[in-house]
Amino acid sequence: DQQVKQNSPSLSVQEGRISILNCDYTNSMFDYFLWYKKYPAEGPTFLISISSIKDKNEDGRFTVFLNKSAKHLSLHIVPSQPGDSAVYFCAASWGRAGKSTFGDGTTLTVKP
Amino acid sequence: DADVTQTPRNRITKTGKRIMLECSQTKGHDRMYWYRQDPGLGLRLIYYSFDVKDINKGEISDGYSVSRQAQAKFSLSLESAIPNQTALYFCATSDSAGAEAFFGQGTRLTVV
Repeated sequence: DQQVKQNSPSLSVQEGRISILNCDYTNSMFDYFLWYKKYPAEGPTFLISISSIKDKNEDGRFTVFLNKSAKHLSLHIVPSQPGDSAVYFCAASWGRAGKSTFGDGTTLTVKP
Repeated sequence: DADVTQTPRNRITKTGKRIMLECSQTKGHDRMYWYRQDPGLGLRLIYYSFDVKDINKGEISDGYSVSRQAQAKFSLSLESAIPNQTALYFCATSDSAGAEAFFGQGTRLTVV
């Protein structure tokens, strides 16, 4: 059973508009949620995270929202730029181990 | 120099051969991880280690073994490679539970 799901394999938006990437989870024990970005032929790089005690975290153009009751989080990118085109992974972790469980990723394409 | 270095970057090997993938890090982190990524899927955890004496199986450890030679080095071995182990392998480090992970650039392994 997949504990972290990204139901949209791909998303295409116009430059300057908002990109919204969604992620759902099933394990209520998760206490940290992270977003990673991955370009081809590179490893994932950390983008932004949120603790389960918060419902919003913002860093520049990137904002993550957490809705614990719905077990849902989303990443908002405003404004979207062509350089944001990449695969975005949602990840969740809990407990001492802190090992992350990843979603399957959403490929974002930002068109000029 | 990269914080997390994986060698080799690409490898083609034959079924039944033993192969080792190496990972070294300069972040000074205690935690190290090995993940596997298959096309269209997220990263799945193979093994993780909190320190030299603490190694744990992840969700897909069968057919793999690891060695934590030092705080900075964590290697992954396939004792007898099989074609369905063809995948992209990532090593990662982090300094605490819930913290961001730093990934290597990946090793593309093909088993023929």
